[in-house]
Amino acid sequence: EAGVAQSPRYKIIEKRQSVAFWCNPISGHATLYWYQQILGQGPKLLIQFQNNGVVDDSQLPKDRFSAERLKGVDSTLKIQPAKLEDSAVYLCASSLVGPDTQYFGPGTRLTVL
Amino acid sequence: GESVGLHLPTLSVQEGDNSIINCAYSNSASDYFIWYKQESGKGPQFIIDIRSNMDKRQGQRVTVLLNKTVKHLSLQIAATQPGDSAVYFCAEKEGAQKLVFGQGTRLTINP
Repeated sequence: EAGVAQSPRYKIIEKRQSVAFWCNPISGHATLYWYQQILGQGPKLLIQFQNNGVVDDSQLPKDRFSAERLKGVDSTLKIQPAKLEDSAVYLCASSLVGPDTQYFGPGTRLTVL
Repeated sequence: GESVGLHLPTLSVQEGDNSIINCAYSNSASDYFIWYKQESGKGPQFIIDIRSNMDKRQGQRVTVLLNKTVKHLSLQIAATQPGDSAVYFCAEKEGAQKLVFGQGTRLTINP
């Protein structure tokens, strides 16, 4: 069974630029999550989708971050404009139902200069 | 702040010894807990989970203990191997849908 796929693996941008990350969850998984993991910390949930609907985006900085999951499969996370403090690993995860047993992708390491 | 935390940020053990990683949680209503392992450059990997109606659950070389009285969770790894070197996170289910992760403990295995 293929795991959660993410791209790109690494991205370096300058502040105020825009960036987008892509995630393809495990086939059949209805729930998709985006997390932000700052160095030395645990993952922090940014947004959770159930199929193509948003379940929780309470910790998503909506003035600069946006995410979509059209057709309920792939998802993209965008940052516009980026700030220095956005430097982190952005993890995508998926699960069959709810938060139980989430499977994580390898993440995208973002560096904002 | 985070509702789930860890007592120690780093832990070093000798290869072959048993490891115990601890986690404290603050939400007494939490009913589901998970331990994840994260190796360098990879996403977190599910290790074992436990529901609040259990005190102990065993897997292959791993055991999770839950003490609801003091809101404490631990992960025991038997006969640690070099491949066990990683950062270990506990996570707590908050409400119906959300997992909250702790800071993590880095486990280092000495030869």
